[in-house]
Amino acid sequence: AQSVAQPEDQVNVAEGNPLTVKCTYSVSGNPYLFWYVQYPNRGLQFLLKYITGDNLVKGSYGFEAEFNKSQTSFHLKKPSALVSDSALYFCAVRDEDSNYQLIWGAGTKLIIKP
Amino acid sequence: DTEVTQTPKHLVMGMTNKKSLKCEQHMGHRAMYWYKQKAKKPPELMFVYSYEKLSINESVPSRFSPECPNSSLLNLHLHALQPEDSALYLCASSQGRGAGTEAFFGQGTRLTVV
Repeated sequence: AQSVAQPEDQVNVAEGNPLTVKCTYSVSGNPYLFWYVQYPNRGLQFLLKYITGDNLVKGSYGFEAEFNKSQTSFHLKKPSALVSDSALYFCAVRDEDSNYQLIWGAGTKLIIKP
Repeated sequence: DTEVTQTPKHLVMGMTNKKSLKCEQHMGHRAMYWYKQKAKKPPELMFVYSYEKLSINESVPSRFSPECPNSSLLNLHLHALQPEDSALYLCASSQGRGAGTEAFFGQGTRLTVV
């Protein structure tokens, strides 16, 4: 069965420090992985995706994510956190046979403290 | 323009009312989605339209009725809702089929059923 795990409900980081939001997945075939961010009372914004190729994917707002096939992980990273990065982050996955349905993680609340 | 526009932003309706949510995109996307999201939870897929035809209905109660008048518009007709239907309703669109295709979300309609 397909699944996504975001093991941390909340991550606290001081402004200017690097941040990591963790995501692990389980799919039967090749994974297609996505990160979305949701600011309070807003819709979801697409950050980045991994389809194939380079394991390090760069996305919007200075975020990047590293695909690790052996560890089945797709952690979101940013070298220097901003207070404005505080939001709810969702990891999601599809397998290669799924056209529309996304399997979502439970979400991680990121709090950046000044 | 990577915008999905939803109206209204907020809606309060009684359990006997009939109302509609509207969604519009001008990105030429051929797949459009309705999601339901409860607070601090990942979105739950309700319906998918692909090339203006209903492609997926995730066993949604009949009090929710989707409509896709053309490739740019998506409606969700609401009738005889229950208080537990109160949630953020998100519309999204994507370029089409394909496991690696990302979706773009609107800002949502905050629905309260009284």
